[in-house]
Amino acid sequence: SQQGEEDPQALSIQEGENATMNCSYKTSINNLQWYRQNSGRGLVHLILIRSNEREKHSGRLRVTLDTSKKSSSLLITASRAADTASYFCATDSSGNTGKLIFGQGTTLQVKP
Amino acid sequence: DGGITQSPKYLFRKEGQNVTLSCEQNLNHDAMYWYRQDPGQGLRLIYYSQIVNDFQKGDIAEGYSVSREKKESFPLTVTSAQKNPTAFYLCASRRQSYNSPLHFGNGTRLTVT
Repeated sequence: SQQGEEDPQALSIQEGENATMNCSYKTSINNLQWYRQNSGRGLVHLILIRSNEREKHSGRLRVTLDTSKKSSSLLITASRAADTASYFCATDSSGNTGKLIFGQGTTLQVKP
Repeated sequence: DGGITQSPKYLFRKEGQNVTLSCEQNLNHDAMYWYRQDPGQGLRLIYYSQIVNDFQKGDIAEGYSVSREKKESFPLTVTSAQKNPTAFYLCASRRQSYNSPLHFGNGTRLTVT
């Protein structure tokens, strides 16, 4: 079962623009995590936001979490061509089951 | 440097053969995971292990088997019972099984013909 559903599936923007990706999930969570994947490689962790947090920043990344709506968003500001990748959200279910379930991902293309 | 090593990067097998994918980590992480990724898709959880000598089925465990005899190692066997084994397999680990991020290997691309 896919816990996270992301939209859009694909996003194409110009360098310098902001990119926003959304993730919705179904069950109660301990935390929500965002990852990046370059083509053919493993995923790299970007940000972890706990269920009692509403917003978190890391450099040009801003993540929000709305547990009442079971949704999260990832904002990349002032995008660069090097940000071109696939981005995934993943949820750590409450109860410390250890299961980390990923969404389908958003493919971001940043044109120079 | 600490990290996760998956080998080999590419693997080719004939239908009907079992194949074992290697995953080793030197991060001293307790929890380890196997995911499958199909083209243009997200990751689906196959098996995970929170401690040595224990593991749990994920969402698509049928046709796969694992072992966790050592903290550093979590090999995945793709058996002949797996109906559609061609995929990109990703191994990951994390310090504890909740509230911590995953560290991923670079994956093994398995092709079965």
